[in-house]
Amino acid sequence: AQTVTQSQPEMSVQEAETVTLSCTYDTSENNYYLFWYKQPPSRQMILVIRQEAYKQQNATENRFSVNFQKAAKSFSLKISDSQLGDTAMYFCAFMKQYNRDDKIIFGKGTRLHILP
Amino acid sequence: DTAVSQTPKYLVTQMGNDKSIKCEQNLGHDTMYWYKQDSKKFLKIMFSYNNKELIINETVPNRFSPKSPDKAHLNLHINSLELGDSAVYFCASSPRVDHEQYFGPGTRLTVT
Repeated sequence: AQTVTQSQPEMSVQEAETVTLSCTYDTSENNYYLFWYKQPPSRQMILVIRQEAYKQQNATENRFSVNFQKAAKSFSLKISDSQLGDTAMYFCAFMKQYNRDDKIIFGKGTRLHILP
Repeated sequence: DTAVSQTPKYLVTQMGNDKSIKCEQNLGHDTMYWYKQDSKKFLKIMFSYNNKELIINETVPNRFSPKSPDKAHLNLHINSLELGDSAVYFCASSPRVDHEQYFGPGTRLTVT
């Protein structure tokens, strides 16, 4: 069975700093997706970034980028120039590709505080 | 223009009652889901439907029954509510089963 581990329950950084959230996963699959979701205090779950396992290039979305290390099964999220609005719970998630009856597996989340 | 909407956003009810949460998506997606997020923020899937067909049914008490009248709607009905059912329930949709999911705003259910 797949598992997703986020080893940092909570982090705090100063505004404008760069922060990296770690995520490791365990799978025997070769084809899969990895995601980072953000849940701000408003409770809405928002997709931040997505990575296909077959792509070697790391995904980026503006200030958000990932460091995807397939062999190490590591998928960290880097937030550059952090802003107060980045304060949220961040969930790393894994999903097998091409499976009709499979599901997203979420990690337990990292609570990120951006300090003014 | 909300993509995935849920009603109500807040629901407070007493033990033993029956309640429903509605979900609608206007994205034209084929697959919809229900998740439960507990007080520790752990997010766990409950059900998924693809084109109105039940695909995933996790080990959820049979007091919980999803109903999909059409591809754009997936409702969750809960019978005989218990204190432990208090949580935030999220609906989500995706274009196909192995694709990222788009979440609704959540429904905070409080059972007293």
